[in-house]
Amino acid sequence: GENVEQHPSTLSVQEGDSAVIKCTYSDSASNYFPWYKQELGKRPQLIIDIRSNVGEKKDQRIAVTLNKTAKHFSLHITETQPEDSAVYFCAATYYNQGGKLIFGQGTELSVKP
Amino acid sequence: GAVVSQHPSRVICKSGTSVKIECRSLDFQATTMFWYRQFPKQSLMLMATSNEGSKATYEQGVEKDKFLINHASLTLSTLTVTSAHPEDSSFYICSARGTSGRGNEQFFGPGTRLTVL
Repeated sequence: GENVEQHPSTLSVQEGDSAVIKCTYSDSASNYFPWYKQELGKRPQLIIDIRSNVGEKKDQRIAVTLNKTAKHFSLHITETQPEDSAVYFCAATYYNQGGKLIFGQGTELSVKP
Repeated sequence: GAVVSQHPSRVICKSGTSVKIECRSLDFQATTMFWYRQFPKQSLMLMATSNEGSKATYEQGVEKDKFLINHASLTLSTLTVTSAHPEDSSFYICSARGTSGRGNEQFFGPGTRLTVL
């Protein structure tokens, strides 16, 4: 069935360090992989996404890599800042099932000043 | 552009009553809307997918007679929690995808915090 696994569940880093969050997906037909940042009580906010025809995408301090063969993708945040502290979710779209998003379990990132 | 609103933002109700939550796409036509539920410290769990003018597709384990979804227009979908009970207390979030020109991207509403007493 559809499944997205995300690790780690919690991540604590010092300000200025890098943070890496990894996800794997089960459906080889998945073709769209967004990452969201969610603050407590708020809606998920898209921070970066990648499509299956691309291996890497970067936007300032944030980058995402995709390995279609291994069915995993990762979020990289460099030069972390305290305001990066939040819960991050990966997701995979199951295009053949109406494009629904299946979310990973989430990673609580804490950036210590 | 691509703004989704949700109403109400918070609702408290008594056990046994029904609650309706509205999800609107304000500046684009949403051909597909999704409803999620999120319990504290957990991920977003997809409840159902609705396409304008057709019946919703519910995920396994979601009771369609308890969570009524109507997607009557290209800008509005509603979720009605019928005979709500305390275990239905959760954060309900909708998202919309459509004619905004951004392909697969879903745009999320701000969520509705439901508390059933």
